[in-house]
Amino acid sequence: ETGVTQTPRHLVMGMTNKKSLKCEQHLGHNAMYWYKQSAKKPLELMFVYNFKEQTENNSVPSRFSPECPNSSHLFLHLHTLQPEDSALYLCASSQDRDRRYTFGSGTRLTVV
Amino acid sequence: KNEVEQSPQNLTAQEGEFITINCSYSVGISALHWLQQHPGGGIVSLFMLSSGKKKHGRLIATINIQEKHSSLHITASHPRDSAVYICAARADDMRFGAGTRLTVKP
Repeated sequence: ETGVTQTPRHLVMGMTNKKSLKCEQHLGHNAMYWYKQSAKKPLELMFVYNFKEQTENNSVPSRFSPECPNSSHLFLHLHTLQPEDSALYLCASSQDRDRRYTFGSGTRLTVV
Repeated sequence: KNEVEQSPQNLTAQEGEFITINCSYSVGISALHWLQQHPGGGIVSLFMLSSGKKKHGRLIATINIQEKHSSLHITASHPRDSAVYICAARADDMRFGAGTRLTVKP
């Protein structure tokens, strides 16, 4: 357990479903991140939150909607996804953006 | 061309061997991270460095800022070191290498 908890670990959803991924950290970190890791591709940054405010949206389609209600929780709301969105979604946190990152175990998403 | 290049892509070693994984980057950075990803997907941060060398147990990370190059060394490798090792360069955001898949055979 790294201190960053992601749920669920695995998710299979249809293209018309709506689901949410959850990330939680109690490390006292002020920055939280969503990353996407597709097969055979480098990690891609999706969103960055710093002190609950979104500071980066890396040209992510609107079918992915992040929410950060407080510094400890981060959600990724999913709706009308495509099969190519199937990937490992990783959450990370850090104390300031220039410190070491702590990653969660990821949610493996399959869109059918 | 990826801004962060790792080599080799795949590496197979015998237990006990000395391992080196290389990372070259083309952007100005404030720090470089080495990450370890196990088969289940979870990622562990191994090192963050901005100059010189860091050591943790059997792992050593070095960086040469002028040459824009970093190396990760594993001494006395063990099968439990088998994982994907990812180099990440912190520029205006994090830029990731494609990873090096290491397999250490007993």
